[in-house]
Amino acid sequence: GAVVSQHPSWVICKSGTSVKIECRSLDFQATTMFWYRQFPKQSLMLMATSNEGSKATYEQGVEKDKFLINHASLTLSTLTVTSAHPEDSSFYICSARAGLGTNEQYFGPGTRLTVT
Amino acid sequence: DAKTTQPPSMDCAEGRAANLPCNHSTISGNEYVYWYRQIHSQGPQYIIHGLKNNETNEMASLIITEDRKSSTLILPHATLRDTAVYYCIAREYGNKLVFGAGTILRVKS
Repeated sequence: GAVVSQHPSWVICKSGTSVKIECRSLDFQATTMFWYRQFPKQSLMLMATSNEGSKATYEQGVEKDKFLINHASLTLSTLTVTSAHPEDSSFYICSARAGLGTNEQYFGPGTRLTVT
Repeated sequence: DAKTTQPPSMDCAEGRAANLPCNHSTISGNEYVYWYRQIHSQGPQYIIHGLKNNETNEMASLIITEDRKSSTLILPHATLRDTAVYYCIAREYGNKLVFGAGTILRVKS
């Protein structure tokens, strides 16, 4: 089946620094990737949708200047949390879809971010 | 996409069938019913989806009522590893997946 990986699986950073999270589709080309955030005991919240080669579309209330998304290739999308604060500590999950003619989304294992 | 309603939690005995209900009374004709689950601290895992007909795969069965206003996910022989949050999502083909609160299923020995 389709495999999506994320790196790192967990990261601890100091307040004010930036952190980059990678999402890779390992065995298929992902024209669209999605980024979700999940706080403890809550559901997944969609942050943004990115299509390869174009700017990401952010959901309402998500700061595009704080959460930078790059989808420069068909197998890689990155999420950079800039000037991280403790309230950005969360579980970040990406998912990927193969193409416009497909409907299935495959999820990565998630990245646990802790900002101290 | 239509909103879905699920019970917040359910318990099931190991080895028994787990029947997870979902209400989607405002579902439109173009919307599929999708089920995902999330085991603690992992990414969601696809289980099954359907439009009108009942569906079965190696993981589960999906029963959709004739009026499509509700559905039931059936795990035929629940194991401890099936303990997870189960999400029922109604969505049109190609739309993004939007997760609700889901049902916490606890399988007990």
